Parts: sequence; structure tokens; C-alpha cells
Amino acid sequence: DQQVKQNSPSLSVQEGRISILNCDYTNSMFDYFLWYKKYPAEGPTFLISISSIKDKNEDGRFTVFLNKSAKHLSLHIVPSQPGDSAVYFCAASPDTTSNTGKLIFGQGTTLQVKP
Amino acid sequence: EPEVTQTPSHQVTQMGQEVILRCVPISNHLYFYWYRQILGQKVEFLVSFYNNEISEKSEIFDDQFSVERPDGSNFTLKIRSTKLEDSAMYFCASRARKGNTEAFFGQGTRLTVV
Repeated sequence: DQQVKQNSPSLSVQEGRISILNCDYTNSMFDYFLWYKKYPAEGPTFLISISSIKDKNEDGRFTVFLNKSAKHLSLHIVPSQPGDSAVYFCAASPDTTSNTGKLIFGQGTTLQVKP
Repeated sequence: EPEVTQTPSHQVTQMGQEVILRCVPISNHLYFYWYRQILGQKVEFLVSFYNNEISEKSEIFDDQFSVERPDGSNFTLKIRSTKLEDSAMYFCASRARKGNTEAFFGQGTRLTVV
């Protein structure tokens, strides 16, 4: 039951260039989307989120784009830095109005930023 | 900065034994979660907890699992009789309120069942 998919297991970019991480989802009821970054032996760290009523949210070097008709979101990191090297998880919340608020995660994309 | 803390960081246990994983969520948060990540796989939802009761649980969260918030600060996950396939990283998370708010995760407990 892969409701959230990250089809690229890994991505390698040069320092200073743009990193684009992609995520697709199947459930049109998802109304809130998040990106988390994870280093080995640590928990996921929240990066940026977007509500389904928006198509773009920006925070410094990080921008998330949402295309609801395509059920697709992407995370842009520009410029990429070596410290950005980590696993990036896309996550979706089926119903933020409930008392659950659970997150459904994608498989993750390992980003390597080369100096 | 407030953070979710989990103890222990690593737990090794024999198959069939009971384990309790402990978490201290962020103090003013209302929603609490356990997730797990088996090596090489995605992070999976186990259970959510609100207002002193389970609000949702996944198929993984069977009768061997239970959660408790025994006082105002701790949130525990108990596995009654561990199996080899319970070996995973277990993450506790908390969220401040309902709506479009992010969940904050602890650093995880690595559970190894031998």
C-alpha cells in the first residue's frame, strides 16, 4: 500500500547547484504534506510543509511545490550544500482535522551533495 | 529548543521478552505517536494517542503492543513478547495541536531482538 512514493532512491548533485526531490501520492484526501530530513542514527527532522490549498511554500533555501492535479510534490534546495547530504522523506497527512494526524511516509531519497 | 527525548537509545532483548520504550514528548504538545523503521524500509505509523486514549492504530499495532502516558510527561510503548521481526528503530513523535502542524520526532530507540 504505497500511498506516498519517492521513486528516486538516491540523488547526487554538485555543491551550489539545485537539488530537486520528487514525491507522488495516490490519495486525493491528503491535505497536508511535509518534508523531513534524516541523518543516520537520528530521528526525522522537520524541514518544510505545505497545505493542499497552496501550490508553493518557501523557507530560505528550501521550496516545496505542490501539483494537486498530478498528485505530485517536489522539494527544491538551492543552493545545495554538503551539509544537506541526508535522507529526505516526503510525508502526507490524510486528515489534519481528526485527532489522529498520522503521517504516511515515502521510502526516502538519499541526497549526496558533492563539494 | 524543546525536543522529544527517547530512552534508551539502543535496547537488545531476547525473543519473547517484554520491552518498554520510553519517550518524553515536548511539554505543551497534545498529540503523541509511535513510528517504526525496519532497516532499509520506510518509516511506518504504529499508533496515535490523544486525550489519554488511542486515536488510531495501524495493523502492525496488534495485541502485543500497548501505549501509556502514566504521568504528565512520559509516553511509553510496550511490546509484551518480542519477536525477531520487531527489530527496528522506534521513533516517538509529538504534535502541538490539531490542524496543519508538523510532528517533532525523537532520536529513536534501536530495538534488537535476538
